[in-house]
Amino acid sequence: EAGVAQSPRYKIIEKRQSVAFWCNPISGHATLYWYQQILGQGPKLLIQFQNNGVVDDSQLPKDRFSAERLKGVDSTLKIQPAKLEDSAVYLCASSLAGEGDTQYFGPGTRLTVL
Amino acid sequence: QKEVEQDPGPLSVPEGAIVSLNCTYSNSAFQYFMWYRQYSRKGPELLMYTYSSGNKEDGRFTAQVDKSSKYISLFIRDSQPSDSATYLCAMRTMEYGNKLVFGAGTILRVKS
Repeated sequence: EAGVAQSPRYKIIEKRQSVAFWCNPISGHATLYWYQQILGQGPKLLIQFQNNGVVDDSQLPKDRFSAERLKGVDSTLKIQPAKLEDSAVYLCASSLAGEGDTQYFGPGTRLTVL
Repeated sequence: QKEVEQDPGPLSVPEGAIVSLNCTYSNSAFQYFMWYRQYSRKGPELLMYTYSSGNKEDGRFTAQVDKSSKYISLFIRDSQPSDSATYLCAMRTMEYGNKLVFGAGTILRVKS
């Protein structure tokens, strides 16, 4: 079974530029999560989708971050404009349904903002 | 105060040692407790999953939850160099749905 796929793996941008990350969850997984992991910290949930609907985006900085999952499969996370403090690894995870199901993580996208 | 506190280490032990990793938490509503292992440049992978208080064993790994003290532990017996990684505790409540709250992670190095 293929795991969660993410691209790109690494991205370096200047502050105030825009960037987008892509995630393809495990086939059949209805729930998709985006996490931000700053160096030396644990992952922090940014947004959770159930199919193509948003379940929780309470920690998403909505003035600059946006995410979509239009067809209930792939998802993109965008940052516009980026700030220095956005430098982090952006992890995508998926689970079969939601409540109580194991979350499987992708390898992450490492973003450096200069 | 963070909801979940975890000593970042690094913790360095010789091969074959027993390793003890710990987390404390402040939210008494947490009911489900997990340990994830994260190798360098990889995403976290689930190691252990426990509900409420008690112990759970899986091979060389034992997870322990003490809800009265708001304290969870992961023990690794006969540690191997391949166990070198960052260990993240995570927990959730029914109120948060499937949202996980993670500790900062402890870096473990097992020397051969």
